[in-house]
Amino acid sequence: DTGVSQDPRHKITKRGQNVTFRCDPISEHNRLYWYRQTLGQGPEFLTYFQNEAQLEKSRLLSDRFSAERPKGSFSTLEIQRTEQGDSAMYLCASRSEGGELFFGEGSRLTVL
Amino acid sequence: DAKTTQPNSMESNEEEPVHLPCNHSTISGTDYIHWYRQLPSQGPEYVIHGLTSNVNNRMASLAIAEDRKSSTLILHRATLRDAAVYYCILRPLWGGSQGNLIFGKGTKLSVKP
Repeated sequence: DTGVSQDPRHKITKRGQNVTFRCDPISEHNRLYWYRQTLGQGPEFLTYFQNEAQLEKSRLLSDRFSAERPKGSFSTLEIQRTEQGDSAMYLCASRSEGGELFFGEGSRLTVL
Repeated sequence: DAKTTQPNSMESNEEEPVHLPCNHSTISGTDYIHWYRQLPSQGPEYVIHGLTSNVNNRMASLAIAEDRKSSTLILHRATLRDAAVYYCILRPLWGGSQGNLIFGKGTKLSVKP
């Protein structure tokens, strides 16, 4: 499968713990995006990388959130000191030259 | 950022055509119109996009009004697998976050057998 893959698919954690999600984009795509989606809402933009450079961060990305893409390939999204309000689906996407975004299946976070 | 307006939900019968409307009255001349859909428990999936002319691909057709203030996604023969939330999104060609798509709530399409 050469699509966008995300790991883990599901994560249950206790409030206050740290969690990390990984995204492997389509190999030839140099742009990578993280989105968050809560029930009944459309995805909300979090941050965007071009190669290893993080070019934009949403106001939604509080200082507890950090994203990296160290070698311009895979990316990680870490949430520190999780809160119940962080419970959501975290979606990763990579972008083709034609402008289409290809999304992974997401990582669902439940904070107890 | 330019906004779009879509009905919250629509129903269709299987094997019938479906026309999903989208209003974008504040669209600028360099905004592309993108459509994505999201099946249950999956990430969004690209469907089609266009600028001024109508577009066709294997999944759907996109009809764009002459003034570009509205567009319609056309599924020619709905199947049960087309039941999803459909998002109409404007993406600026220049400036902003290249490729940062701003999703609304979309239209939830139900398909009846």
